[in-house]
Amino acid sequence: DIQMTQSPSSLSASVGDRVTITCRASQSISSYLNWYQQKPGKAPKLLIYAASSLQSGVPSRFSGSGSGTDFTLTISSLQPEDFASYYCQQSYSTPIFTFGPGTKVEIK
Amino acid sequence: QVQLVQSGAEVKYPGASVKVSCKSSGYTFTGNYMHWVRQAPGQGLEWMGWINPDSGGTNYAQKFQGRVTMTRDTSISTAYMDLSRLRSDDTAVYYCARGNGDGFTLVYFDYWGQGTLVTVSS
Repeated sequence: DIQMTQSPSSLSASVGDRVTITCRASQSISSYLNWYQQKPGKAPKLLIYAASSLQSGVPSRFSGSGSGTDFTLTISSLQPEDFASYYCQQSYSTPIFTFGPGTKVEIK
Repeated sequence: QVQLVQSGAEVKYPGASVKVSCKSSGYTFTGNYMHWVRQAPGQGLEWMGWINPDSGGTNYAQKFQGRVTMTRDTSISTAYMDLSRLRSDDTAVYYCARGNGDGFTLVYFDYWGQGTLVTVSS
């Protein structure tokens, strides 16, 4: 089974900061990596698919990069509404899928 | 617009079963797989399985095989997730999520239901 890890598990940042979250796969998953944002009490929201493609309607301050085993989600200038948890998800092992454990972005 | 509307919260005794529904609108129900994902309190997301609404074919995560059954009723564009032999650690919010992608290896979840809280307690 492909295992996903994320780092850090949590971080504190200020509005306007550049934030980077890392997701690592236990084996190469090519570019089959997606990112989601989840706010408390809400369903997850798709941000990035195929490692670097921005989902329609998602602000351009969000970007994704990487391939193989190492991936990053970057928020170029953190906004108040970006304080949330972020999850990566791989689909290389289709028809089975796995999520990373999540990264919580908190206000400093 | 695409909408997935789930059934309401449930409280169940250990050993019982629960059936959660997910009604779709705004797109062709049989055109996308439907996935189920759960989230225990304070924990991360856990993928449970999918159903192909067109054929009725399913695939379940190994952890849930033998306890989960996913079905659909195409006449009312609704998917169902039935989990049996409930335990206290099945207490979670259960989400349905529409699958999308390239039809092969790229699969992402572009629309989600609002979630259904299932509480298992004696």
